[in-house]
Amino acid sequence: GAVVSQHPSRVICKSGTSVKIECRSLDFQATTMFWYRQFPKQSLMLMATSNEGSKATYEQGVEKDKFLINHASLTLSTLTVTSAHPEDSSFYICSARGQYGYTFGSGTRLTVV
Amino acid sequence: DQQVKQNSPSLSVQEGRISILNCDYTNSMFDYFLWYKKYPAEGPTFLISISSIKDKNEDGRFTVFLNKSAKHLSLHIVPSQPGDSAVYFCAASGGTSGTYKYIFGTGTRLKVLA
Repeated sequence: GAVVSQHPSRVICKSGTSVKIECRSLDFQATTMFWYRQFPKQSLMLMATSNEGSKATYEQGVEKDKFLINHASLTLSTLTVTSAHPEDSSFYICSARGQYGYTFGSGTRLTVV
Repeated sequence: DQQVKQNSPSLSVQEGRISILNCDYTNSMFDYFLWYKKYPAEGPTFLISISSIKDKNEDGRFTVFLNKSAKHLSLHIVPSQPGDSAVYFCAASGGTSGTYKYIFGTGTRLKVLA
């Protein structure tokens, strides 16, 4: 089956630094990648949608300069949280759309201290 | 505006009995629905889906029912097993967005008691 590898699974960073989260489709080509974040006891909220080779489309209220998304190839998409603040602490999950439908990564727990 | 709602945040069921998880939606343009299961600190895993042209889809112990007139879907798990204990999200997509975006509910935590 389709597998999406997401790294790191857990990261703690200092306020003001940047963190890169990587999602890689291992055995299929991800034409579209979705990035979600989830706060405790809340739903998965879509942050942005990216198609390979084009700019990401951000949902309303999501700062595109803060959450940089790169989808340079059909197997790799990255989310960079720039100048992280404690309120950015959350669980970030990617979802890749390929020939097998939608496959989620395992998520990244980001803690900004 | 929560377009997909799961009004029960938690549910406890005895092992071997039926678990019924409910989901309501408001957008009549949604035409494809999915259920995901999520363990703590992991990404969701796909369980079962249904398109609006059907009212039932079954896969092993999992059955999803869709009532379009009521804008309601439900997931039935029978018999329930302790390993089914997780958070279950319903998600909906469709309409004219063209981007295959899914809107998720807030999840229901299922606990199956041994």
